[in-house]
Amino acid sequence: QLQLQESGPGLVKPSETLSLTCTVSGGSITNSNYYWGWIRQPPGKGLEWIGTIYYGGSTYYNPSLKSRVTISVDTSKNQFSLKLRSVTAADTAVYYCARQRHYYDSSGYYYDFDYWGQGTLVTVSS
Amino acid sequence: QSALTQPRSVSGSPGQSVTISCTGTSSDVGNYNYVSWYQQHPGKAPKLMIYDVSKRPSGVPDRFSGSKSGNTASLTISGLQAEDEADYYCCSYAGSYTYVFGTGTKVTVL
Repeated sequence: QLQLQESGPGLVKPSETLSLTCTVSGGSITNSNYYWGWIRQPPGKGLEWIGTIYYGGSTYYNPSLKSRVTISVDTSKNQFSLKLRSVTAADTAVYYCARQRHYYDSSGYYYDFDYWGQGTLVTVSS
Repeated sequence: QSALTQPRSVSGSPGQSVTISCTGTSSDVGNYNYVSWYQQHPGKAPKLMIYDVSKRPSGVPDRFSGSKSGNTASLTISGLQAEDEADYYCCSYAGSYTYVFGTGTKVTVL
């Protein structure tokens, strides 16, 4: 069974960089059918897609966050990571990593997030 | 890239049906049949309930169904049960490998 686990500091100071890692177990991050994504959810609010990476290194970002976000992958560790620069209180949220399907075959079209980590709360505060 | 619009809340009695709408634009929902729906219980991660507009992953009860017309997708829960009380989010592919989520709907079982 595929599992994803987020890890990283739960408290980040304003103007600093938020850094999180997602460790994938029970499956390979190099499976060609899948991409790997980050989604966040501010307290009491809705979900926001942050960005996505393919194991080969291609990245895709939410235009509203693109200038501050970097997502990277380490296939040797079966991990991918998120960096969000110049954070403010508005970046306080639960951050989720997820496996992203992005393909079609004879059975249908698979463009969704089918496995999620449990999420980790990151608070931006001095 | 604006969030898809969902009603803030819907409610129904056990056994009834409720429908949640998800309105986007011709750049996302209206242009792609790549709409998915997620259920989120308090303090938990979202769970995929519907993909490809109307398909259910293995293990999702058949009382959950999805559809789409134009720029609006819908999730219907038939035979509402107590455990269906949760927040629900739609999500659409928006082109160029980008995705957009809905604003979220709280389903209350009366």
